[in-house]
Amino acid sequence: QQPVQSPQAVILREGEDAVINCSSSKALYSVHWYRQKHGEAPVFLMILLKGGEQKGHEKISASFNEKKQQSSLYLTASQLSYSGTYFCGTDLREMTDKLIFGTGTRLQVFP
Amino acid sequence: GAVVSQHPSWVICKSGTSVKIECRSLDFQATTMFWYRQFPKQSLMLMATSNEGSKATYEQGVEKDKFLINHASLTLSTLTVTSAHPEDSSFYICSAEDRVSSYEQYFGPGTRLTVT
Repeated sequence: QQPVQSPQAVILREGEDAVINCSSSKALYSVHWYRQKHGEAPVFLMILLKGGEQKGHEKISASFNEKKQQSSLYLTASQLSYSGTYFCGTDLREMTDKLIFGTGTRLQVFP
Repeated sequence: GAVVSQHPSWVICKSGTSVKIECRSLDFQATTMFWYRQFPKQSLMLMATSNEGSKATYEQGVEKDKFLINHASLTLSTLTVTSAHPEDSSFYICSAEDRVSSYEQYFGPGTRLTVT
């Protein structure tokens, strides 16, 4: 079943913060976060592996709560370039490393 | 990071014809590649897992006779949309996993298919 992301969409002014959540109904091995601009392929942001870790990448960080089967992406001091649609990709590690992508969160940052 | 290419990037074809899309890993070997389809304003939906030297594994609801996948080498997977219809018009994206260096999946730039 497809992971559910919230919110569906968010509008920010430059410099504001946002949190995007990804919730799965199944146990997760890892969570991958991607950003996609219109008409382009998704761009990898980060992977969080089983173990409940947190990761940071410049002003974008994420956490993974294995017990709750949830991951959150934190965007701080947003920039115009952060605009796009964010997807979480969940790896159940059942037989292969295939990713099931979440419903997506559209983020728009205005000056 | 590793690079994955797709060809063509954009294709228009007539209803009833077949279209082949290529996915190549340029600087690494990929035993596994994945094919996704994305309709406008929707998420990426996994269609199938392409395994080098063996049959592809299709997701539920994806017609294997319509979407033929061939993974002939460690750097090339192809998706052929047979007898295409307008409802097959979509953005097709492949990804490849470099298991040697990381768990990261590298995505190709995508192929926009329009069936008229």
